[in-house]
Amino acid sequence: NAGVTQTPKFQVLKTGQSMTLQCAQDMNHEYMSWYRQDPGMGLRLIHYSVGAGITDQGEVPNGYNVSRSTTEDFPLRLLSAAPSQTSVYFCASSYGAGESYEQYFGPGTRLTVT
Amino acid sequence: GNSVTQMEGPVTLSEEAFLTINCTYTATGYPSLFWYVQYPGEGLQLLLKATKADDKGSNKGFEATYRKETTSFHLEKGSVQVSDSAVYFCALSRWSGGYQKVTFGIGTKLQVIP
Repeated sequence: NAGVTQTPKFQVLKTGQSMTLQCAQDMNHEYMSWYRQDPGMGLRLIHYSVGAGITDQGEVPNGYNVSRSTTEDFPLRLLSAAPSQTSVYFCASSYGAGESYEQYFGPGTRLTVT
Repeated sequence: GNSVTQMEGPVTLSEEAFLTINCTYTATGYPSLFWYVQYPGEGLQLLLKATKADDKGSNKGFEATYRKETTSFHLEKGSVQVSDSAVYFCALSRWSGGYQKVTFGIGTKLQVIP
């Protein structure tokens, strides 16, 4: 059981470039989400999905796109990278969307935009 | 809106010292409360949780009690070890607008010295 996996672990982009952060889980979880972690700000929700084919915006969605074609995969796309998107990105999944469910996090992707 | 307040730290303790990390929250209704731990270079993982008032969550010697009257969920451990050095996040979860909205604190860095 690999849990939640993310690739790449590190990435450097130039301003204006696009890229996709990959996320996969093998726990058959319906609920998946993307967060960004910035110093002094905790984690903030970017996008989430309650099942294949269903996605919606979180707190800070601007500049990011998501899709969910399978239960397992939930990629995050940066459309045109900006320095303000320099951050650590975490993908998470949970068994359900109820508020008592714990979230399982991937190891993170550290992104630097120059 | 919902919010979670915790000190950023770092908190530096000697091995076998008593640990308290304060966490207070603001939320409507009765959220579920969590403590997550992030070891260096890793994603967050659940440490403990409580889903209703007066519940006590516990794991690996850590404890926290859901106090509705003081809107608090302070993390305690009687005797810390060097291996407890990590960042600790308090979080609350509420069902909101069709998804599990999780609000994280900024994280408290704990350093335990031998």
